[in-house]
Amino acid sequence: NAGVMQNPRHLVRRRGQEARLRCSPMKGHSHVYWYRQLPEEGLKFMVYLQKENIIDESGMPKERFSAEFPKEGPSILRIQQVVRGDSAAYFCASSRERTYGYTFGSGTRLTVV
Amino acid sequence: AQKITQTQPGMFVQEKEAVTLDCTYDTSDPSYGLFWYKQPSSGEMIFLIYQGSYDQQNATEGRYSLNFQKARKSANLVISASQLGDSAMYFCAMRGNSGGGADGLTFGKGTHLIIQP
Repeated sequence: NAGVMQNPRHLVRRRGQEARLRCSPMKGHSHVYWYRQLPEEGLKFMVYLQKENIIDESGMPKERFSAEFPKEGPSILRIQQVVRGDSAAYFCASSRERTYGYTFGSGTRLTVV
Repeated sequence: AQKITQTQPGMFVQEKEAVTLDCTYDTSDPSYGLFWYKQPSSGEMIFLIYQGSYDQQNATEGRYSLNFQKARKSANLVISASQLGDSAMYFCAMRGNSGGGADGLTFGKGTHLIIQP
């Protein structure tokens, strides 16, 4: 009865390194959403994916950020050449259909030093 | 564009009292959904309650109820008989059907609720 699994829970990267955040949706869920939460802020939508397709990436920064959801395996949010401003909590949510039924993971807290 | 406003950055409430957390929203979509989430200090996002824009009755889930006033564009969360474990950040969120991130939720900045014994 696993929920949405995100790993790692905490990730520390030096400036200029790459960060890879993983999200395994709930069983039977084929829709994945990524959000970013800056300190003292609410969550901001980044990207919505279905298996092998990016449906809506209107919230993704234009550079250094990319996301994928392959046919097999977890969804990956990749941040290249991280900067201090990328430090945030990154949440993944999944749903069975394009409906209102989201389930969130516990988040990955990225710290860039 | 959609917008969620939570005007209470923080609240202190005595245990067992009822709490109302304010949320107003702005959208041009005729059909939308409103959510409340709880985020304890451990960081996870916990779904509390959902209200559809066409729902005739206010949503309720145990001690949580949503005071939905469509004409005022408000969706306040009411927690009855507060408990120490209710201390957390509370976020109001909305999903609409227009373009530009329509598939994601728009969140407010949150209210930090502290329940005092």
